[in-house]
Amino acid sequence: EVQLVESGGGLVQPGGSLRLSCAASGFTFSSYAMSWVRQAPGKGLEWVSGISGSDGSTFYANSVKGRFTISRDNSKNTLYLQMNSLRAEDTAVYFCAKLVSASCYGGLDCWGQGTLVTVSS
Amino acid sequence: DIVMTQSPDSLAVSLGERATINCKSSQSVLYNSNNKNYLAWYQQKPGQPPRLLIYWASTRESGVPDRFSGSGSGTDFTLTISSLQAEDVAVYYCQQYYGTPFTFGPGTKVDIK
Repeated sequence: EVQLVESGGGLVQPGGSLRLSCAASGFTFSSYAMSWVRQAPGKGLEWVSGISGSDGSTFYANSVKGRFTISRDNSKNTLYLQMNSLRAEDTAVYFCAKLVSASCYGGLDCWGQGTLVTVSS
Repeated sequence: DIVMTQSPDSLAVSLGERATINCKSSQSVLYNSNNKNYLAWYQQKPGQPPRLLIYWASTRESGVPDRFSGSGSGTDFTLTISSLQAEDVAVYYCQQYYGTPFTFGPGTKVDIK
């Protein structure tokens, strides 16, 4: 069974940093692209970042470019999101999601339960 | 960025009746070299992560009931629930993955009338 479990969320002050992790199991992690998607309280979905499973290419939303870094450790079956210079508007539940192939150009067919990041003083 | 819009914002449909949700992209998401539309549909129930329903605009994900269908091409797409069931109450989102950033629509809330 495919499983994605996020961790690392919490309360952080504006300007602070946080690193999210997503532990994957039940599939060949290195063969699939992965993404982060966030959802602010009571709001819709916002795609944040993606990383391919083939060449490790990375992509970012304009709102996080230069502040967030996506990475993966295929030996640990783990996806990461390093978040720096956090702002109040980054407050959201962050979901880790698996793509249907090694390419980032596809649907997100498996999602974790999410981890809440709150940016507040 | 490609902007995704959805209509209506919400709709209420009687059990067993058809529900239709529209999604429009600000530019075509049809990739001419493979004739595929880079569009997906998701269902999100309260307190749960989203679930992939449809990808490539009309390919149903494994395990998704056949009352869900996707259609459209280019810039205009439709998700149809042919016979609404109580468990279909949710918010539905379209997403384009033609160009980064891979944007979502604002969502359409479906309720029972």
